[in-house]
Amino acid sequence: SQTIHQWPATLVQPVGSPLSLECTVEGTSNPNLYWYRQAAGRGLQLLFYSVGIGQISSEVPQNLSASRPQDRQFILSSKKLLLSDSGFYLCAWKTGGEQYFGPGTRLTVT
Amino acid sequence: GIQVEQSPPDLILQEGANSTLRCNFSDSVNNLQWFHQNPWGQLINLFYIPSGTKQNGRLSATTVATERYSLLYISSSQTTDSGVYFCAVDYSNSGYALNFGKGTSLLVTP
Repeated sequence: SQTIHQWPATLVQPVGSPLSLECTVEGTSNPNLYWYRQAAGRGLQLLFYSVGIGQISSEVPQNLSASRPQDRQFILSSKKLLLSDSGFYLCAWKTGGEQYFGPGTRLTVT
Repeated sequence: GIQVEQSPPDLILQEGANSTLRCNFSDSVNNLQWFHQNPWGQLINLFYIPSGTKQNGRLSATTVATERYSLLYISSSQTTDSGVYFCAVDYSNSGYALNFGKGTSLLVTP
């Protein structure tokens, strides 16, 4: 069966520090991969998606970037965090119709 | 982009009551999913339902794609049903990423 892992689960970082969040998927091949962010108050916003290794599309211009170095690995990065980067970051995968989400990383920028 | 509207935004029920959550979307979609976000933030897949009716225990869902709406029914609610319920639709651009509504926050009281 397929599983999706995200780490770390929680993170507190100062403004201006770098960021690296990792997501890995097991039990599937060539999935579409996604990064979403949920700010306080509910809505989920798509940040990046990838349909294959090395292919990244950005939905929202900001100081975040994403990379897909392996088929089932998706990384979200920043060189310098802003206060506005705080939120709940969710990785998701999809093959076929249904999309599934990882447990998320709660990021607080102080 | 596609607009996804959920109603009501907030709902308080007494244990044992029934409820109906609604999701309207503004354009044709390939897929529609319902999720339950638990208190720890995990998004739990409830239904993958681009059209038709499905049932899973006390929950059921109906999507009328031609009229661009979906309904989630919760019967005999329990306190563990509390949380936020999201409707999300995907579309052919953005790698079939999901476009989320703002959710319905449900509180079931004993």
